[in-house]
Amino acid sequence: DQQVKQNSPSLSVQEGRISILNCDYTNSMFDYFLWYKKYPAEGPTFLISISSIKDKNEDGRFTVFLNKSAKHLSLHIVPSQPGDSAVYFCAASGTSGSRLTFGEGTQLTVNP
Amino acid sequence: DAMVIQNPRYQVTQFGKPVTLSCSQTLNHNVMYWYQQKSSQAPKLLFHYYDKDFNNEADTPDNFQSRRPNTSFCFLDIRSPGLGDAAMYLCATSRDPTGTNEKLFFGSGTQLSVL
Repeated sequence: DQQVKQNSPSLSVQEGRISILNCDYTNSMFDYFLWYKKYPAEGPTFLISISSIKDKNEDGRFTVFLNKSAKHLSLHIVPSQPGDSAVYFCAASGTSGSRLTFGEGTQLTVNP
Repeated sequence: DAMVIQNPRYQVTQFGKPVTLSCSQTLNHNVMYWYQQKSSQAPKLLFHYYDKDFNNEADTPDNFQSRRPNTSFCFLDIRSPGLGDAAMYLCATSRDPTGTNEKLFFGSGTQLSVL
């Protein structure tokens, strides 16, 4: 029962363009969502988060959008840079605790 | 810098031979987690400690055990590794699992191979 799904295993974009990574969830009790970034041979690092009381959160080149009715969130990276090439994990938790449920990840490749 | 450190980075063990992975943290966080991640899959929570309270996930096999002797250290013991246990094992910490909007801090992981 995969409660958080990232349906695109990979995404390739050109440097300078926008990268859009998508994530869907099924558990309506989730109210906090995070994106993590993972380079090879390293652990995931926190990138950006959003609470369910918001529909958008922005941090520099990274913006996360939340559509609660569709149970969908997306991460926008603009402009994309080669250093952004990594696996991006979507994660979610509910108010009952911070046990995160992760998606399978999307490998982003930004081509120079 | 405060951080989460996992040793070793790579671990090779033989089928059925017990193995222990270690994790330490300088963040002084109350909660420590162990995740298992297989290739192209989502990280899967095995168990976590809230201080000394151990919380096992319902579907974590009995083959996996954990110890937390103090706030800083946590160990993952695999009693009889099988080929299916080959994976990346990620340790993570957070301040308080009952708090809202908590985020996890991860170590670099230990890649376990079973021969």
